[in-house]
Amino acid sequence: DVKVTQSSRYLVKRTGEKVFLECVQDMDHENMFWYRQDPGLGLRLIYFSYDVKMKEKGDIPEGYSVSREKKERFSLILESASTNQTSMYLCASSIDRGGGQPQHFGDGTRLSIL
Amino acid sequence: DAKTTQPPSMDCAEGRAANLPCNHSTISGNEYVYWYRQIHSQGPQYIIHGLKNNETNEMASLIITEDRKSSTLILPHATLRDTAVYYCIVRFSMEYGNKLVFGAGTILRVKS
Repeated sequence: DVKVTQSSRYLVKRTGEKVFLECVQDMDHENMFWYRQDPGLGLRLIYFSYDVKMKEKGDIPEGYSVSREKKERFSLILESASTNQTSMYLCASSIDRGGGQPQHFGDGTRLSIL
Repeated sequence: DAKTTQPPSMDCAEGRAANLPCNHSTISGNEYVYWYRQIHSQGPQYIIHGLKNNETNEMASLIITEDRKSSTLILPHATLRDTAVYYCIVRFSMEYGNKLVFGAGTILRVKS
């Protein structure tokens, strides 16, 4: 089974802090994704990566950056956390860059910015 | 991605089959039908996907009509742990960086 592990289930940070969310997958997948999920807005793609050191912006990249130094690890960085970044953050990985194979998700990190 | 329509909620008795319908009348030939579910406070869980043929795995069966305009997810013996929001989506096979877009989904309540 595919295993996608997010470092924290719950996280509380303060406005202005730099926040790191970590994601690790154990299936040697090339493609990794970061989403946020908010009530009424569904899933929104922040960034994705199709290879080590490669990244591409999703629909809402502002205020975020990512890092992919190793194939199995994809980090999401909130450069200066703000209250509107309070959300559920979901990491996913897939073997396929397109739509022919599923994305597998971690359990999510519920982030609160105070 | 083609739009999908699902009923907002369904109930199912524990131990019985749960049949979740999905309409995707504008689906194109290269779009897959996917099902995910999300249990409260957890990440979405992939269930099954298919293109044209019916599919079965250890979790569920996917029945796609011949014209591909609708499909049904079948959980053969629903348990209380199957209570979740179920999302039906269609995805173009070759779209690069294809993000997932969930609609409202169907809330399935399995009752004892």
